[in-house]
Amino acid sequence: DQQVKQNSPSLSVQEGRISILNCDYTNSMFDYFLWYKKYPAEGPTFLISISSIKDKNEDGRFTVFLNKSAKHLSLHIVPSQPGDSAVYFCAASYGNKLVFGAGTILRVKS
Amino acid sequence: NAGVTQTPKFRILKIGQSMTLQCTQDMNHNYMYWYRQDPGMGLKLIYYSVGAGITDKGEVPNGYNVSRSTTEDFPLRLELAAPSQTSVYFCASSYSLAASTDTQYFGPGTRLTVL
Repeated sequence: DQQVKQNSPSLSVQEGRISILNCDYTNSMFDYFLWYKKYPAEGPTFLISISSIKDKNEDGRFTVFLNKSAKHLSLHIVPSQPGDSAVYFCAASYGNKLVFGAGTILRVKS
Repeated sequence: NAGVTQTPKFRILKIGQSMTLQCTQDMNHNYMYWYRQDPGMGLKLIYYSVGAGITDKGEVPNGYNVSRSTTEDFPLRLELAAPSQTSVYFCASSYSLAASTDTQYFGPGTRLTVL
């Protein structure tokens, strides 16, 4: 029972273009959403988050959009850079519960 | 600050062997966690601790044991290794338990193979 799904295992984008990573969730109890980024041989690191009371949160080149009615969130990276190549995990939480998606591998080609 | 450190980085075990995965954090966090990540799956919580001497089960605790004798250390014990425990193990720590108030900081992981 995967409550948080990242349906695209991988994504390839040209440098300078927009990267859009998607995430769907099933549990309507989730009220806080996070994106983590992971480089090879390193642990995940926090990237950006959004509360369910908002529909957008922006931090530099990274923007997360939340569509509660569709139970969908997305991470936009503009412009994409080769250093953004990593695995991106979507996570959702309510209370003390935190559920992770399987991750999407992003490759930014120069 | 070293953050969260884990040892070893890699390990191969035979079925039935035991081992301890070490985790240490130097951020004075009360909360610590062990996750496993299997191919194509998200991180699954094995055990967590809310402070020295207090631990609780996560989503997938079977086959594992933990202890928390100090704030800094949170070792994970595998008593009778099984092939199903082949995975990448991540330790994490945080200042608070709720993700909405504090992010979790992860170690680099231990890749364990059980043959």
